[in-house]
Amino acid sequence: AQRVTQPEKLLSVFKGAPVELKCNYSYSGSPELFWYVQYSRQRLQLLLRHISRESIKGFTADLNKGETSFHLKKPFAQEEDSAMYYCALSGRSGGGADGLTFGKGTHLIIQP
Amino acid sequence: NAGVMQNPRHLVRRRGQEARLRCSPMKGHSHVYWYRQLPEEGLKFMVYLQKENIIDESGMPKERFSAEFPKEGPSILRIQQVVRGDSAAYFCASSLQNGNTEAFFGQGTRLTVV
Repeated sequence: AQRVTQPEKLLSVFKGAPVELKCNYSYSGSPELFWYVQYSRQRLQLLLRHISRESIKGFTADLNKGETSFHLKKPFAQEEDSAMYYCALSGRSGGGADGLTFGKGTHLIIQP
Repeated sequence: NAGVMQNPRHLVRRRGQEARLRCSPMKGHSHVYWYRQLPEEGLKFMVYLQKENIIDESGMPKERFSAEFPKEGPSILRIQQVVRGDSAAYFCASSLQNGNTEAFFGQGTRLTVV
């Protein structure tokens, strides 16, 4: 069975401080991992996926298969980063949106 | 392109009634996915449909729930004889094709069963 764990329900940091949102997963095969973000009153949207190896809005995430983690990091938080962040896993080939397993989400609050 | 449109945004039903949730995918998208989010939980996959076909319904409860995506018109998630435990946010997503393409989510329908 696949499982995604986001241990922090709420994370509050000051503007300019580094941010790390934790995500651990359980999956027996080779998963594809994603981070989704939901800003206040907006739709859930894809932030980044591990196969792209991109930096989006200053965020990066590295898949660590040894630790089964996919933590989301940003060196300097900005107020507009305040949002709900969901880590998600796909065990399907190609990483399509069917069968995504989501974590419970972390509410990130950036204080001025 | 207005994005994925779900309606209604809020739906209140009494126990035993039927709930119909509609999802219009983005223009040109033929793949639709339904997810349910119970309070304090993450989104849980329910069903994946293409036009006129159910591709994967492994996350759908065996009874009372059904989904369709007809050739014309929106995708419908139907819940018969609703119970209090069906109260949740139901999200729809669509993509151009499955696999390695981004899925775009709607704003969700919040179902409350009283």
